[in-house]
Amino acid sequence: EAGVTQSPTHLIKTRGQQATLRCSPISGHTSVYWYQQALGLGLQFLLWYDEGEERNRGNFPPRFSGRQFPNYSSELNVNALELEDSALYLCASIPGRSSYNEQFFGPGTRLTVL
Amino acid sequence: AQSVTQLGSHVSVSEGALVLLRCNYSSSVPPYLFWYVQYPNQGLQLLLKYTTGATLVKGINGFEAEFKKSETSFHLTKPSAHMSDAAEYFCAVSDLKAAGNKLTFGGGTRVLVKP
Repeated sequence: EAGVTQSPTHLIKTRGQQATLRCSPISGHTSVYWYQQALGLGLQFLLWYDEGEERNRGNFPPRFSGRQFPNYSSELNVNALELEDSALYLCASIPGRSSYNEQFFGPGTRLTVL
Repeated sequence: AQSVTQLGSHVSVSEGALVLLRCNYSSSVPPYLFWYVQYPNQGLQLLLKYTTGATLVKGINGFEAEFKKSETSFHLTKPSAHMSDAAEYFCAVSDLKAAGNKLTFGGGTRVLVKP
């Protein structure tokens, strides 16, 4: 069974540009989570999508947005990039909304903002 | 809001020695607790989880953790360290009050295993 996949592996952008990160969950999983792992800030919850809808978001500005497609894959968009957006962005999926379901993580996309 | 504290951002152990990683959490309701491991340039892999029931939880790769409600702790142990255990370890709590299964992570503990 294929795991969570993310693309691209690395992404280099300059300040002010937009970045698009993609995530494909495990087959049969309907919920997708996005986390940011920035140096010195640890892992922080960004967004949660379930059944195509944004269900919850963390303490991030509106320029962090995304969507979930009918096949449950997801995109994370970061507009007006700032230097501090440089981080590893991790996507995770679970089969449903139950809180005891473990989250399965992808390998991440490393975003570098110059 | 829930929070997780991991004591020690770096831990160095000798191969064959006990690995002990400390995790304390704050939660107003019984939490679900997780330990994840992250190898260099990889995502997170679940080691073990506590939801309900037995407070001593066994995970993969010989790791185990004990949920102690009175101490609000969920420390991770492994009796004998192996070189392959060198990685970063994250304790996390599931926020049952918030919508969904949002995880709140501790700051992580990087483990170095000396031969």
